[in-house]
Amino acid sequence: EDQVTQSPEALRLQEGESSSLNCSYTVSGLRGLFWYRQDPGKGPEFLFTLYSAGEEKEKERLKATLTKKESFLHITAPKPEDSATYLCAGTGGSQGNLIFGKGTKLSVKP
Amino acid sequence: DADVTQTPRNRITKTGKRIMLECSQTKGHDRMYWYRQDPGLGLRLIYYSFDVKDINKGEISDGYSVSRQAQAKFSLSLESAIPNQTALYFCATSDPRGGRTYNEQFFGPGTRLTVL
Repeated sequence: EDQVTQSPEALRLQEGESSSLNCSYTVSGLRGLFWYRQDPGKGPEFLFTLYSAGEEKEKERLKATLTKKESFLHITAPKPEDSATYLCAGTGGSQGNLIFGKGTKLSVKP
Repeated sequence: DADVTQTPRNRITKTGKRIMLECSQTKGHDRMYWYRQDPGLGLRLIYYSFDVKDINKGEISDGYSVSRQAQAKFSLSLESAIPNQTALYFCATSDPRGGRTYNEQFFGPGTRLTVL
């Protein structure tokens, strides 16, 4: 069964304390790995797409990487405004629909 | 202006009532999706449409129906609402391009539905 698992469920950081969020997947024929940011009560906001192992994408303090079994979202020197839930999703199989993980809730304290 | 809009943004209704949630987009995308989000369960796909004449069931379609009125409009209906359909509902769009069949999806702001 296709599955996407994110860890940890919640992460509390001090401002400036770098860390990584993990997304492991078992999606047959993975065609893309997506990262989203979601603020409370709002729709997910697209961050990155990764298509092949070894690929990396960066945006401000965020960097996403992909291996054959997992993806990491690295957050360098986070700020309080980076606080949000980060969602990972894989697309594959015959339908190619997104399969979402349950998310990692990130809190960054000043 | 928002690219993907949803109406209403909040709705409280009673068990047994028929409810329609609407989604409109100005992105020009052919593909549209409806998801629900529940605490602890994440986002789950209800229905999706790759064009006006193509409607497909997702993971959790029971109790829901959809209508694709135009490329830009995709509505979700709850024929007889029940309390366990209380959730956040999101519409999303995507556009296959650049040789990639499956690209990122863009989400609307969501509708918070409460069924009493």
